[in-house]
This record gives sequence, structure tokens and C-alpha cells, in this order.
Amino acid sequence: ETGVTQSPTHLIKTRGQQVTLRCSSQSGHNTVSWYQQALGQGPQFIFQYYREEENGRGNFPPRFSGLQFPNYSSELNVNALELDDSALYLCASNRGGAYEQYFGPGTRLTVT
Amino acid sequence: QQQVKQSPQSLIVQKGGISIINCAYENTAFDYFPWYQQFPGKGPALLIAIRPDVSEKKEGRFTISFNKSAKQFSLHIMDSQPGDSATYFCAARDAGGTSYGKLTFGQGTILTVHP
Repeated sequence: ETGVTQSPTHLIKTRGQQVTLRCSSQSGHNTVSWYQQALGQGPQFIFQYYREEENGRGNFPPRFSGLQFPNYSSELNVNALELDDSALYLCASNRGGAYEQYFGPGTRLTVT
Repeated sequence: QQQVKQSPQSLIVQKGGISIINCAYENTAFDYFPWYQQFPGKGPALLIAIRPDVSEKKEGRFTISFNKSAKQFSLHIMDSQPGDSATYFCAARDAGGTSYGKLTFGQGTILTVHP
């Protein structure tokens, strides 16, 4: 088990709603990345935060946004939910500059 | 554009056998190649990783072979056990520009080890 925690474990939302997912990074890790994993697929990079600033972004629309706090925990916000947003959302953390990324257990989001 | 291609999609081996999963990449800016193991309902767990200046890395029953000129790398699981049954993902880390630190994953291989 890594020291990365995520909440909530599961949630169900309706199309058009907004959702906030939370991640606490492993102790000593100042970089957090978010990934979306659709069923049967590999994780896809959404964005990365380093020292409270977005440090890279994948091919996701602006309705996917994030924050990183001074304690390096992070939030992923998704506005105007679509059915295709149903997925496992994963948070990974690492020490800045380190290669190894450690994943949390994920949040399973279902959009109906 | 899928930058990391993984094969096979699924693999069945007998207990004690060797499991081999292959990946190929295109982006020469990749500088680190990890393998992750994922059980149902869990997040991916880092298994083993290699940097491109090394051709092979072994940790216990797990070995990565890396061919930089062919842009290919593979995971070998020796003496496969039923507990190894999981989905395996190869990945590659981007060292370039605005994608720095981003991991690009393969599509995954579902490994089943029969007792």
C-alpha cells in the first residue's frame, strides 16, 4: 500500500452536475498527478501539480480543473459532467524530480 | 495517438511458467519505463522500472528487458504464480517540455495464472 489516499471511494452523479475529488499525497511528496482510467483501458494523464501550480496537462477539456494546497494535497474538479466521464480517477504522487509515481486506490465516478 | 503499444491483450500461463508482456513506444523523449500491476478495484502498484541507459533489470521473479534502438521493452515474470493474476500496464515517462513527468500507459495485459 502506498501512502496516497483518495476520497470518496465511489460516487454517483447526474449528467451536467459538478464533482470534486480529493487526494492526499504520500509524505514528502510535493508533486501530484491525476489520471482517468476508463473501464478496460490504461490510465490517461489529466494534469500534474507541483508546488501548487499546474505543471503539465493532457488532452482534457478546461472543465477538468485542479488545485494543489500548501500541504501538497490536491483536488480534481469536473464541471458539466458527461456520461463519458464515468471512470476510475487516480491520483499519483512523487517527490519533485523523482521518477517513481505512486498511485492511490482511486475514486470510481459514475455519471448517469 | 497511442504512443505506447502493449501486447498481448490477455495471457494465460500455467503455474511455474514464464509470462512475457511486450511494449513498444514512439516518443524518443521518454526517459523512464515503469511497469504497474493492478488488481480489480485497486490503483496501479509500481512493480519494476528501468531507465534507457540499462538493457536489463531484475528484481526477484520480475525482469525488464529494454531495447533502445528498437524502442521496445518487455516484462518477464519467472515462475508465475496464481497470485500474479492481475492486469499489467507498461508506461513511459515524458521528459520533454510541457509534458514533463507525464506517464503514458499501454492498454494493459490481463494475466491469468492457472494453478
